[in-house]
Amino acid sequence: DAKTTQPTSMDCAEGRAANLPCNHSTISGNEYVYWYRQIHSQGPQYIIHGLKNNETNEMASLIITEDRKSSTLILPHATLRDTAVYYCIAGSYGKLTFGQGTILTVHP
Amino acid sequence: DSGVTQTPKHLITATGQRVTLRCSPRSGDLSVYWYQQSLDQGLQFLIQYYNGEERAKGNILERFSAQQFPDLHSELNLSSLELGDSALYFCASSVGGAWTGELFFGEGSRLTVL
Repeated sequence: DAKTTQPTSMDCAEGRAANLPCNHSTISGNEYVYWYRQIHSQGPQYIIHGLKNNETNEMASLIITEDRKSSTLILPHATLRDTAVYYCIAGSYGKLTFGQGTILTVHP
Repeated sequence: DSGVTQTPKHLITATGQRVTLRCSPRSGDLSVYWYQQSLDQGLQFLIQYYNGEERAKGNILERFSAQQFPDLHSELNLSSLELGDSALYFCASSVGGAWTGELFFGEGSRLTVL
């Protein structure tokens, strides 16, 4: 799996968009970009994934740069319940390598 | 609720002992994955099974072993336990056919080795 780099922590005001960046400059052509989050010590939760096109689902949007070396996860209207550790993973199939992630804190 | 069930939720044992963690995947999921999360190592992939067969191996110690049974539930066996084995152990499952990108994680088993 390609290595990913994320900021250690970020803050966001409730109701505003949270934009979480991720660098994956060594990603190979067949590797996807996945985003998961972990709230406190619960099991990680899938958010979204993509290969090269931008993706959107009910939880978030994923913007992948054209060269695929970086991506941004967008939570359009962050709530207090979105406070969590967000993991960006570049890999293929089920063997996903989780890094340290970004601690997102949503403030009232 | 992800649909993945792990037991026990908490387990306290002594060094040198052996424990078994159990995982029931979501109904219909053929693949099971085991992950270990400790404070200093983060979330580490241990092993994957698909329909009873080992599919991929990660940083799993030789003292650890796993298997997936015909009813698709899986067990992770940890033996000769050391203090450093204290961690959260997560099981995840996926459909196993066409890869959808989504792993469904259980709530974990917290192991404390004293």
